[in-house]
Amino acid sequence: AQRVTQPEKLLSVFKGAPVELKCNYSYSGSPELFWYVQYSRQRLQLLLRHISRESIKGFTADLNKGETSFHLKKPFAQEEDSAMYYCALSPLNNNDMRFGAGTRLTVKP
Amino acid sequence: DTGVSQNPRHKITKRGQNVTFRCDPISEHNRLYWYRQTLGQGPEFLTYFQNEAQLEKSRLLSDRFSAERPKGSFSTLEIQRTEQGDSAMYLCASSWGGSYNEQFFGPGTRLTVL
Repeated sequence: AQRVTQPEKLLSVFKGAPVELKCNYSYSGSPELFWYVQYSRQRLQLLLRHISRESIKGFTADLNKGETSFHLKKPFAQEEDSAMYYCALSPLNNNDMRFGAGTRLTVKP
Repeated sequence: DTGVSQNPRHKITKRGQNVTFRCDPISEHNRLYWYRQTLGQGPEFLTYFQNEAQLEKSRLLSDRFSAERPKGSFSTLEIQRTEQGDSAMYLCASSWGGSYNEQFFGPGTRLTVL
């Protein structure tokens, strides 16, 4: 069964520190992986997806098929990065998007 | 077009009543999704439309739940005989093209069943 696990409910770092939000998945095939973000009082929005290989707002995510992980990283966190982050998996040829439970990131000044 | 809209934003109802929510997707999007989100959890997939056809339904979608998308435009999600366990945020999202494309989310409808 497909599942997305975000082991940290809460993560707090100081401004300028590196940040890594962990995401592990279980799926037998080749899924597409996403990170969605929800800033305070805003709707859920796409941050980045594996297929695009982009860096958005300084964030990157590397797919490690051996470890079935898709961790989100940023070398220098900013206060405006404080938000709820959700890792999501979309199976090939299927529209049943699975989300993790989310990690609330707080960047302290 | 200001994005995906959902109405109402909040709904309080008594157990046993029926409720209906509406979602207006981004106009050119052919795909529409419904999710449910409870406290402390990520969104859970409920169902998906491509144009007017409902192509997938989660096992979470009991027979008390029904969704429609007439003419492939707006969609409605109806819950009959609501239960307290139905209390949640109901999210709608739309996208264009394949399952790997970005989904644009609405603000959600928060349902409270007393």
